[in-house]
Amino acid sequence: DTGVSQDPRHKITKRGQNVTFRCDPISEHNRLYWYRQTLGQGPEFLTYFQNEAQLEKSRLLSDRFSAERPKGSFSTLEIQRTEQGDSAMYLCASSPWGTGVLEQYFGPGTRLTVT
Amino acid sequence: AQKVTQAQTEISVVEKEDVTLDCVYETRDTTYYLFWYKQPPSGELVFLIRRNSFDEQNEISGRYSWNFQKSTSSFNFTITASQVVDSAVYFCALVNDYKLSFGAGTTVTVRA
Repeated sequence: DTGVSQDPRHKITKRGQNVTFRCDPISEHNRLYWYRQTLGQGPEFLTYFQNEAQLEKSRLLSDRFSAERPKGSFSTLEIQRTEQGDSAMYLCASSPWGTGVLEQYFGPGTRLTVT
Repeated sequence: AQKVTQAQTEISVVEKEDVTLDCVYETRDTTYYLFWYKQPPSGELVFLIRRNSFDEQNEISGRYSWNFQKSTSSFNFTITASQVVDSAVYFCALVNDYKLSFGAGTTVTVRA
């Protein structure tokens, strides 16, 4: 049973550069979520998709951030013109289709360091 | 607004001691779901338990148990007979429209 995978696991970039992260959810999970976690804090919601539709975006997601899920399978999160404040762990999660609220399964995360 | 408070920042125990983690939440929803997640040093969040607001029965699952008190908006989590492998950060979370709102986490260190 393959879990949620994220690539890369670590990314170091210089301020002002663009970065893109990929998330592959658990197969047949139609909901996909992005969260950001800074040191010593709990994860904070960024955005979520149901199939290919992006249904909600947090105020944390400035216009430098864009997320896509083109075919309702994998998703990408791009950050343009990175800033030092973007340094964080970016977590992806997925959950299956069904009634009620179902637990989200998280990937290992991508740790971004902006120098 | 949704809010989850974990007042304990760090807890350190000796192996085989019980550990209870506190969680207090705020929500305007009448129906809601609460979760506990574990984040070991490897970094991956692991789902532990889920509880819905309309079922206040407390349960035990192996060495884990939880105490849900709707009247005090608390959802406490206990690890019985702790082991070194339980060392991790534990997060309480509340769901609103499918997105999770997490507390700041409690770091549990179990010493051999």
